[in-house]
Amino acid sequence: DGGITQSPKYLFRKEGQNVTLSCEQNLNHDAMYWYRQDPGQGLRLIYYSQIVNDFQKGDIAEGYSVSREKKESFPLTVTSAQKNPTAFYLCASSSTSGGQETQYFGPGTRLLVL
Amino acid sequence: ILNVEQSPQSLHVQEGDSTNFTCSFPSSNFYALHWYRWETAKSPEALFVMTLNGDEKKKGRISATLNTKEGYSYLYIKGSQPEDSATYLCAFISGTTDSWGKLQFGAGTQVVVTP
Repeated sequence: DGGITQSPKYLFRKEGQNVTLSCEQNLNHDAMYWYRQDPGQGLRLIYYSQIVNDFQKGDIAEGYSVSREKKESFPLTVTSAQKNPTAFYLCASSSTSGGQETQYFGPGTRLLVL
Repeated sequence: ILNVEQSPQSLHVQEGDSTNFTCSFPSSNFYALHWYRWETAKSPEALFVMTLNGDEKKKGRISATLNTKEGYSYLYIKGSQPEDSATYLCAFISGTTDSWGKLQFGAGTQVVVTP
């Protein structure tokens, strides 16, 4: 089955700790995205990658970092600099990043702060 | 960050009734508008990508229209069924260089269809 997987489903972060959320796709898509959802708000773009070894900041990149070493993988690290990390995180991919291509979403990771 | 508004925030529909709701977006520098359906405990799923003023798209009982000059899109559900219960998201993308590839999502319209 082709699709996007995210792990873990739930993640707990302690004060001052960095945590990494995994996102893998087997759709052979060039572009990948990370979004954050907070209650009552639309999905907000954290980072996106148009191609391997390249990524750009989205609207709320502060306190996050990413890498894109492989086409199928786009992990997101929530650093200790992110002061309000509790949220639902969605990863998505599309064939290209032009904006007229459908994005395919993973099941999400809920991050909670202990 | 561009302003994408969806209304109403939520609505309740009786099974068999038809309904519609709105997505408003900036009317300048339009490039594309996406609609997604997000059912509870599932991933958002694409419904439509609309690119031309006057576009009308249909998928089963769900259809959408687009007016880029005035900056709005309507999503219609005909003969609502309980399986149509979901949050419907719209996302706008501008044609400006600094917006390339960046979808701006609305907060969604939550639809609950009761038998």
